[in-house]
Amino acid sequence: AQSVAQPEDQVNVAEGNPLTVKCTYSVSGNPYLFWYVQYPNRGLQFLLKYITGDNLVKGSYGFEAEFNKSQTSFHLKKPSALVSDSALYFCAVRDMLGTALIFGKGTTLSVSS
Amino acid sequence: GAVVSQHPSRVICKSGTSVKIECRSLDFQATTMFWYRQFPKQSLMLMATSNEGSKATYEQGVEKDKFLINHASLTLSTLTVTSAHPEDSSFYICSARGGGDTQYFGPGTRLTVL
Repeated sequence: AQSVAQPEDQVNVAEGNPLTVKCTYSVSGNPYLFWYVQYPNRGLQFLLKYITGDNLVKGSYGFEAEFNKSQTSFHLKKPSALVSDSALYFCAVRDMLGTALIFGKGTTLSVSS
Repeated sequence: GAVVSQHPSRVICKSGTSVKIECRSLDFQATTMFWYRQFPKQSLMLMATSNEGSKATYEQGVEKDKFLINHASLTLSTLTVTSAHPEDSSFYICSARGGGDTQYFGPGTRLTVL
C-alpha cells in the first residue's frame, strides 16, 4: 500500500533562513510525488511534482524538492523563507498505476519576521 | 495552472436535509475527479474517485448511499450528502485531473450541519 510520512507537525524558521519540510514515502514501483500548500480555509495549491528526470525539481514561489530514491524521500526546500510562506504543506504520492493521490498528514510552516 | 471551482464555498443546513456540492474544471476536461474530506488540522482523506460517465469508486468506510457522486460531464462532478447529520460537518475538497499527472484542487466547501 502507498503511504506518505511527514515526520514534523510544525517547522519554525526565521525569515531569510533556508527551510526544509521533510517527506518520506512508500510505494510500489516508481513514485509520482507532489507537494501542495494550503492556506487557511482554502483548497490546495500545487507547488511541484516529480515524475521522472532530474532529482532536483523546481516549483512555484521559489520552492524546490529533491527526490532521493535510496532514502525514499522528497523533501521540500527553499533557500530563503518569507513570512508569506507560512501555511500548511502536504506531500502526496501515487504509483504509476494509481489514480488518486495519497497525502501525508501535513506540516505547518511558520516563518517569523 | 488549471482552475477548479467549487460551489458553494460554505453551507449550513439542518440535520436530515441533503446538500449538493458542485465541482467544476474551468479550463480543462477532467477525465477523473476526486472527493476528499478534511477534518480540522488533519490531512485529506480520499472519499471517492469518479470517472466521467462511470460509477464512482468509494474508499473503504465511505457510505456510497450517503455520499452520492455524479460525474455527468468532463467538467462537472457533484457530491450530494444525503440526510446530513452533525458528524458530516467537515471541509469537503474536490480535485480534478485531465490527461496529465497533476491533480488540481478546488477551494473547498465548508459544511456545517446543525
